[in-house]
Amino acid sequence: EVQLLESGGVLVQPGGSLRLSCAASGFTFSSYVMSWVRQPPAKGLEWVSTISSGGDNTYYADSVKGRFTISRDNSKNTVFLQMNSLRAEDTAVYYCAKGAYGNYAHWGQGTLVTVSS
Amino acid sequence: DVVMTQSPLSLPVTLGQPASISCRSSQSLVYSDGNTYLNWFQQRPGQSPRRLIYKVSNRDSGVPDRFSGSGSGTDFTLKISRVEAEDVGVYYCLQGTHWPRTFGQGTNLEIK
Repeated sequence: EVQLLESGGVLVQPGGSLRLSCAASGFTFSSYVMSWVRQPPAKGLEWVSTISSGGDNTYYADSVKGRFTISRDNSKNTVFLQMNSLRAEDTAVYYCAKGAYGNYAHWGQGTLVTVSS
Repeated sequence: DVVMTQSPLSLPVTLGQPASISCRSSQSLVYSDGNTYLNWFQQRPGQSPRRLIYKVSNRDSGVPDRFSGSGSGTDFTLKISRVEAEDVGVYYCLQGTHWPRTFGQGTNLEIK
């Protein structure tokens, strides 16, 4: 059974940094593209970032480009999202999702990031 | 960026009646490999999103056959043949053809 377990979400001050993790199991992690999608409170879904299976290609939404970095450790079946210079508008539940071309067949349960002073 | 426009945004439906959600893209979603990467997701209250349909019309395993997807190019539709109580939630389309990936605004389906 595919499982994706996000962690790392906390309350952080504006301008602060945070690293989210998504631990994967139940599939050959190194063969799959992985993504982060976020959902601000009571709002819709927003794609954030995607990383290729080998980690050599990364893609970002304009809203996070230059501040967030996606990476992965295929030896540990984990994908990360390093978030710097956080803003109030980054407050959201962050989901990791498995699959390429938006074919997100599996999602984690999400981790809440709150940016507030 | 490709803009995904869903309609309606609110969809009150009587149990047992059909429902239809439209999703239109500002550019063609046909990729260079010939596939059209238009996917539909359901998000029930308090839950993570769940994929229902991928590449326009392919229903996921475990998704009831009352759900169907259709369309081509820039115009796509999700249909529910007979709405049941468990279908309450928000439905999103997502295009995976162009960067950045973009979702529709979401359609909130409720029981009338």
